[in-house]
Amino acid sequence: GAGVSQSPSNKVTEKGKDVELRCDPISGHTALYWYRQSLGQGLEFLIYFQGNSAPDKSGLPSDRFSAERTGGSVSTLTIQRTQQEDSAVYLCASSRGPLSSYNEQFFGPGTRLTVL
Amino acid sequence: KNEVEQSPQNLTAQEGEFITINCSYSVGISALHWLQQHPGGGIVSLFMLSSGKKKHGRLIATINIQEKHSSLHITASHPRDSAVYICAVRSNTGTASKLTFGTGTRLQVTL
Repeated sequence: GAGVSQSPSNKVTEKGKDVELRCDPISGHTALYWYRQSLGQGLEFLIYFQGNSAPDKSGLPSDRFSAERTGGSVSTLTIQRTQQEDSAVYLCASSRGPLSSYNEQFFGPGTRLTVL
Repeated sequence: KNEVEQSPQNLTAQEGEFITINCSYSVGISALHWLQQHPGGGIVSLFMLSSGKKKHGRLIATINIQEKHSSLHITASHPRDSAVYICAVRSNTGTASKLTFGTGTRLQVTL
């Protein structure tokens, strides 16, 4: 079946512009995660959605970052007034439920964001 | 000091060698994950473990909760094992599904 998909695969934008990154999780997966991987850095947790619960936004680096998940499926990560330090690969992942021995996390291919 | 430390950062091995990658963490955890990131960027979850040992093909992951340490072993390594291997931990406080990641170990297996 289809895996996690993300769009666009690459995005180049100018400093100060807003960008939207999209994630389509695996059908039926109630948990969705956004991560960021900056050049030469490790993965960094951004936000976690689980079903209808309030999302865990503790990893969002500033109030320029926000995310929504509509209808418990597709998610959009929005970065307002982009800065050069926002340049990174943004990865989405989903799992059938909260991570456990029975619920594996599946990653999308990522969106490479470059802020000029 | 990072909550999750991996060693070595880079590793080069010849085909057939036995490989060990180490991960140490400083927080209480509910589980530890090993991930593989291919040169093209795709990430695959290899193991999720909270105690003991797990084996999948040529890969073995072990964890010692008391020592806050995990190892990933690759037996009979092959060039297709070349990738970045990432350790991540799930804290036993706060959000159950939030992962904290190590910076990864870049493995290159040559013929």
